[in-house]
Amino acid sequence: AQSVTQLDSQVPVFEEAPVELRCNYSSSVSVYLFWYVQYPNQGLQLLLKYLSGSTLVKGINGFEAEFNKSQTSFHLRKPSVHISDTAEYFCAVSRMNRDDKIIFGKGTRLHILP
Amino acid sequence: DAGVIQSPRHEVTEMGQEVTLRCKPISGHNSLFWYRQTMMRGLELLIYFNNNVPIDDSGMPEDRFSAKMPNASFSTLKIQPSEPRDSAVYFCASSSLAGTYEQYFGPGTRLTVT
Repeated sequence: AQSVTQLDSQVPVFEEAPVELRCNYSSSVSVYLFWYVQYPNQGLQLLLKYLSGSTLVKGINGFEAEFNKSQTSFHLRKPSVHISDTAEYFCAVSRMNRDDKIIFGKGTRLHILP
Repeated sequence: DAGVIQSPRHEVTEMGQEVTLRCKPISGHNSLFWYRQTMMRGLELLIYFNNNVPIDDSGMPEDRFSAKMPNASFSTLKIQPSEPRDSAVYFCASSSLAGTYEQYFGPGTRLTVT
């Protein structure tokens, strides 16, 4: 079975500072990895995904993530955050090449400080 | 594309009443997922369908919950009888089995049971 651990439930960061949201996963098989964002009172939307190929994945709104197979991590980064990035971020994993469910982490709430 | 459509957006009901939540997936998608989100428990997968067939309902809390997908463009989640602890935001999501497995979420239904 797959599992996802988001190490921080909340991350405060000053506006225009860099941020890293950490995600580790566990799986005995190859996986696809995702980051989703949930803005207040909205549904989740896809930020970026890793399926194969380059381990550095770029997504929307200036976010990027790096897949590290040896450390089973998929950390999300942004070099300079804006107040509009205030949201909850979910890391997720699914088995590769399977019509299967996605396993979501518990989420990390990003607080942007003025 | 209209995206995933959920109705109603808000529902307030009294304990013991029947509640029906509705979802229209994105046209052409053939997987549909029902989630529940609360502050205490986070995002929980309740059930998912592939090609209108329920694949995994292990997340359905108890017999009071039931879900159907009579055709590719419509699904319902029913709670009968409802209880205050069912208060949550319920999300529907859809994806394509022929695609890259990311899920597209609806805006959610906020259910309050008094």
